[in-house]
Amino acid sequence: AQRVTQPEKLLSVFKGAPVELKCNYSYSGSPELFWYVQYSRQRLQLLLRHISRESIKGFTADLNKGETSFHLKKPFAQEEDSAMYYCALSKGGYNKLIFGAGTRLAVHP
Amino acid sequence: EAGVAQSPRYKIIEKRQSVAFWCNPISGHATLYWYQQILGQGPKLLIQFQNNGVVDDSQLPKDRFSAERLKGVDSTLKIQPAKLEDSAVYLCASSQDPYEQYFGPGTRLTVT
Repeated sequence: AQRVTQPEKLLSVFKGAPVELKCNYSYSGSPELFWYVQYSRQRLQLLLRHISRESIKGFTADLNKGETSFHLKKPFAQEEDSAMYYCALSKGGYNKLIFGAGTRLAVHP
Repeated sequence: EAGVAQSPRYKIIEKRQSVAFWCNPISGHATLYWYQQILGQGPKLLIQFQNNGVVDDSQLPKDRFSAERLKGVDSTLKIQPAKLEDSAVYLCASSQDPYEQYFGPGTRLTVT
């Protein structure tokens, strides 16, 4: 069965500190991995996807098939990064997203 | 472009009552999804439409939930009768690109 695990419910850091939000998945095929973010009082929105191999708002994520992980990283956290972050998996195409439970990132001044 | 629209934003009902939610996707988006998000969990797909056809409804509790997308544009999701465990945020999303889904603001349902 496909599953996404985000082991931390809350990650609390100070501004300027590095951030790593963990995501592990289980899937027998070749999944597509995404990070979605929800800022306070805003809609859930795509942050980045592994196929793009891009950096968005300073965040990067590398797919590690050996460890079945897709951790989200940022070298220097900003207060505006405070939000709920969801890791999600898709079998590809227009298939549904399977979400993890989410990690709340709180960046303190 | 206008985003995905949902109504109502909030709804409180008693158990065993019925409720309906409405979603209008982004214009031109053929794929529409309904997700249920229970407090403390990530969204879970209930049903997926491609135009007006159902692609995936494997996790839809069909004894009480129903959904339709007439004319392949807007969609309604209905619960009848509601149970306490249906309390959740119901999210609608649409896409035209398989690599990005656009979410609406959600409808928060409380069943008492």
